[in-house]
Amino acid sequence: ETGVTQSPTHLIKTRGQQVTLRCSSQSGHNTVSWYQQALGQGPQFIFQYYREEENGRGNFPPRFSGLQFPNYSSELNVNALELDDSALYLCASSYSGRGHEQYFGPGTRLTVT
Amino acid sequence: EDQVTQSPEALRLQEGESSSLNCSYTVSGLRGLFWYRQDPGKGPEFLFTLYSAGEEKEKERLKATLTKKESFLHITAPKPEDSATYLCAVLYTGANSKLTFGKGITLSVRP
Repeated sequence: ETGVTQSPTHLIKTRGQQVTLRCSSQSGHNTVSWYQQALGQGPQFIFQYYREEENGRGNFPPRFSGLQFPNYSSELNVNALELDDSALYLCASSYSGRGHEQYFGPGTRLTVT
Repeated sequence: EDQVTQSPEALRLQEGESSSLNCSYTVSGLRGLFWYRQDPGKGPEFLFTLYSAGEEKEKERLKATLTKKESFLHITAPKPEDSATYLCAVLYTGANSKLTFGKGITLSVRP
């Protein structure tokens, strides 16, 4: 069984730029959630995708957007990067209807300078 | 606003010294409570799910319990490799599958 994978591992961007982060869900899972984790904090929910549609959104501005593809992989896009966007971005996959247990990938460390 | 509070923020134990980590949550609308382990710079690793008061789950030296207002993660005779941050997350009714996380408890186990 393949686990959740994310790319890239690390990324350095300049304020105002745009970034795309990618996630491949665990085999058999159809739901992907994205979280932002600042240093010393718990993960904060950004949004979730199910059947290629956004299925819930946290308190993040519209410049955070996403996609889910037919193979259940997903992208997180962030426009007009701000210094406060520096964080670990986590992707989690789950199977809708089975316990809501979410399995996380290793994360992408984004640094905005 | 739904909240999850974990305590203490940090815990230092001697190898073999058992202890408990606490997670308290907003009482209404709990659908599930989850415990994760996170090593520095890595993604959280799933440990347990609890759904109703009185439920208990065990895995090696860890045991998770749930009451109507809080959960405990009991660590029995910890080893240095148990050192990590332990995260508690709650799934609330009406929140789709949004997990609300606490800030985590950093556990250090000295040999």
